[in-house]
Amino acid sequence: EVQLLESGGGLVQPGGSLRLSCAASGFSFSSFVMSWVRQAPGKGLEWVSHITPTGGSTYYLDSVKGRFTISRDNSKNTLHLQMNSLRADDTALYYCARVDLLVVVAGKVPDFDSWGQGTLVTVSS
Amino acid sequence: DIQMTQSPSSLSASVGDRVTITCRASQNIRTYLNWYQQRPGKAPKLLISAASSLQGGVPSRFSGSGSGTEFTLTISSLQPEDFATYFCQQSYTLPWTFGQGTQVEIK
Repeated sequence: EVQLLESGGGLVQPGGSLRLSCAASGFSFSSFVMSWVRQAPGKGLEWVSHITPTGGSTYYLDSVKGRFTISRDNSKNTLHLQMNSLRADDTALYYCARVDLLVVVAGKVPDFDSWGQGTLVTVSS
Repeated sequence: DIQMTQSPSSLSASVGDRVTITCRASQNIRTYLNWYQQRPGKAPKLLISAASSLQGGVPSRFSGSGSGTEFTLTISSLQPEDFATYFCQQSYTLPWTFGQGTQVEIK
């Protein structure tokens, strides 16, 4: 069974830093793209970042580029998100999600096929 | 960025009703469209990928269709456990974006 367990959230002042972690189990972690998706309180879902299986390529939402860094440790089956220069609008529940690629005639369609329960980040003074 | 617009934003329906949710993309996304269900206080769950491929373990009363810019999620006979919020999501181009959600409530 795929399991994703996030940790590291908390209350931080504007301009502060946090490091989120996601411990993965039940699948071959090093074979999958992994992602962070966030959800502000009472709001919709927002893709934040993802990283390729070897960690060689990373992608970010424009509003977090230069402030957030995604990384992974395949030897420990762990995904990380280093968040610096945090702002009030970063307040959200942060989900770790596995990205699967469905092969169809048109190509490979990425989807978020497994999710953790999330870790809450609150940025407030 | 590709904007995803769902309609309606919310609906009230009864058990056994047929429910249809529409998702429109601001540009052609072919079939790079996924649907998720989120129950209150829970993480999202993937229902359908690539517009119409039902995820394993998802009941067959759920179906998806569409391509290009217009997509639909249909629940053929609403069950009590289906009362939730549904999101569409495009993975055609970065940033991957979601619709604002459709809340399905009990009438």
